[in-house]
Amino acid sequence: QTVVTQEPSFSVSPGGTVTLTCGLRSGSVSSSNYPSWYQQTPGQAPRTLIYTTNTRSSGVPDRFSGSILGNKAALTITGAQADDESDYYCVLYMGSGIWVFGGGTKLTVL
Amino acid sequence: EVLLVESGGGLVQPGGSLRLSCAASGFTFSGYAMTWVRQAPGKGLEWVSAISASGGTTYYADSVRGRFTISRDNSKNTLYLQMNSLRAGDTAVYYCAKALWYPSYHMDVWGKGTTVTVSS
Repeated sequence: QTVVTQEPSFSVSPGGTVTLTCGLRSGSVSSSNYPSWYQQTPGQAPRTLIYTTNTRSSGVPDRFSGSILGNKAALTITGAQADDESDYYCVLYMGSGIWVFGGGTKLTVL
Repeated sequence: EVLLVESGGGLVQPGGSLRLSCAASGFTFSGYAMTWVRQAPGKGLEWVSAISASGGTTYYADSVRGRFTISRDNSKNTLYLQMNSLRAGDTAVYYCAKALWYPSYHMDVWGKGTTVTVSS
């Protein structure tokens, strides 16, 4: 069973920089997993932020960026704003039509 | 405007069945794969199932394989999820999402979701 790991929670100060990561319990994340990132606020549908590791979805501010850091995918928010306080989910494509979501990271901006 | 609207959720007893629908508009539905993703109360997102643009290929998470069936009617621009042998653990908000496959595997447009509650 594939398990995708994310930090359960993270906090950042307004204007600060934070990097959330997305790993595999067994193995390394690479660009071949086509990591994508989604933002979700309570009661709302997810919003697509980043796909294929580092491509921003239309309308996403450039303070959001994606990368591979070591053996994990990463989402970096530079200059965090209050309305960035959300849950963030990564999802990895595992091949053969199968996607696996991480457990999500609850980001607090304070 | 690209729009996805789910319907068909509700309260069902354990062991029962339900069929969800997702009406698509604003894009060429028959040209894209589609997925279902669910979120149990207070929990994270879970990928459930995907279907190719033609409907000829389907994929399932282990947790629903053999109980759920994804399908689509490209003439009606509608995606479906037939859910049988429902369990309490299937209680969730079910989202449909437009999916892109090679060379960028991701979900780019999401519906607002429909709620399924499995309880006696």
